[in-house]
Amino acid sequence: GENVEQHPSTLSVQEGDSAVIKCTYSDSASNYFPWYKQELGKGPQLIIDIRSNVGEKKDQRIAVTLNKTAKHFSLHITETQPEDSAVYFCAASNSPGFQKLVFGTGTRLLVSP
Amino acid sequence: EAQVTQNPRYLITVTGKKLTVTCSQNMNHEYMSWYRQDPGLGLRQIYYSMNVEVTDKGDVPEGYKVSRKEKRNFPLILESPSPNQTSLYFCASSQGLEMFFGPGTRLTVL
Repeated sequence: GENVEQHPSTLSVQEGDSAVIKCTYSDSASNYFPWYKQELGKGPQLIIDIRSNVGEKKDQRIAVTLNKTAKHFSLHITETQPEDSAVYFCAASNSPGFQKLVFGTGTRLLVSP
Repeated sequence: EAQVTQNPRYLITVTGKKLTVTCSQNMNHEYMSWYRQDPGLGLRQIYYSMNVEVTDKGDVPEGYKVSRKEKRNFPLILESPSPNQTSLYFCASSQGLEMFFGPGTRLTVL
């Protein structure tokens, strides 16, 4: 089955810096890659996703890139703000409807003022 | 407000005492799922349901049961909880690409 690895496990940056979180997946049939943000005491929430027919997607300060050949995808956050501090999870899916998600182990991002 | 609700939010229990964590969604979603979150292991799927009366095992189903008698409800049942089931549990629902998660239930089994 699918296996998703995520790095780093923790990431500390200064406000205004960029942050990059990387994930690799094992199943070449996976074709949907969402990123979820989990704030303290809350459930994860979708922030951006990408499908395998696209190499890059951007939404304001966040972007995701996908390299299908290397089977890795990354989350990029520019101009980080303290409210970006949270745990971020990548995931991959190869199921019809993309509902069967396999998650990475999470990255705790701390943005210091 | 569209949401997934879970109850209880916090629970401390003892080994072997049956418990149920309820999950309800008001978005008429067909797909519902349970995950557990443990440090260093991320989110792992316990069980999922594609629709009423249709349930299937996820990646870590041992020690858990579920039922889906109604579209909106998907309870998680621990018949005989053990300390290794101490974890943070999330219910989720989906009708398309986005998975909506509940607020979580922190379970401690002594």
